Amino acid sequence: GNSVTQMEGPVTLSEEAFLTINCTYTATGYPSLFWYVQYPGEGLQLLLKATKADDKGSNKGFEATYRKETTSFHLEKGSVQVSDSAVYFCALSLVGTGKLIFGQGTTLQVKP
Amino acid sequence: EPEVTQTPSHQVTQMGQEVILRCVPISNHLYFYWYRQILGQKVEFLVSFYNNEISEKSEIFDDQFSVERPDGSNFTLKIRSTKLEDSAMYFCASRDLGTETQYFGPGTRLLVL
Repeated sequence: GNSVTQMEGPVTLSEEAFLTINCTYTATGYPSLFWYVQYPGEGLQLLLKATKADDKGSNKGFEATYRKETTSFHLEKGSVQVSDSAVYFCALSLVGTGKLIFGQGTTLQVKP
Repeated sequence: EPEVTQTPSHQVTQMGQEVILRCVPISNHLYFYWYRQILGQKVEFLVSFYNNEISEKSEIFDDQFSVERPDGSNFTLKIRSTKLEDSAMYFCASRDLGTETQYFGPGTRLLVL
């Protein structure tokens, strides 16, 4: 079946630290991959996406590269800020169905 | 910037009661979705809707659930007889033709007592 697995949280970092949140997927076919972010009390916002192998999505200093050989889409940021504290969701969608399949979410807490 | 809106933001109801959750998708979008997130768990797909009919639904979306697009702007999720386990955050999303990016509303937090 199709599924997404994210690293367990919470992840607690100091400001300006390097961030990696691991995400791996299982899919039949060729999925598009997404990272969504949920700030406290808000809905899900698209952070970045990649639609084919070796694509790199980037936004607000965050990056993720679609790695077909390792079925991964790890989220990275070189220097986190307190304002990045949120829950991060990795997700995939398959062409045709449109529905998103989410990972369990990873809570990031950045301390000053 | 256009956005998806949802009402109400919070709803408390008694077990067995009917609830209707409302969403206004982005105006030119053609695909509509409902997801739910039980507290502390992952976001789960419920149903997708296109061209005035359900295109896909999950096993969660049983006979107690229904969706409707009653006019050109609203998209509703009805739960006929709520159960305690229906307590969750319900998210509406929409997307345009030719893109896979879904835009989410802020959610409705439903509490069934």
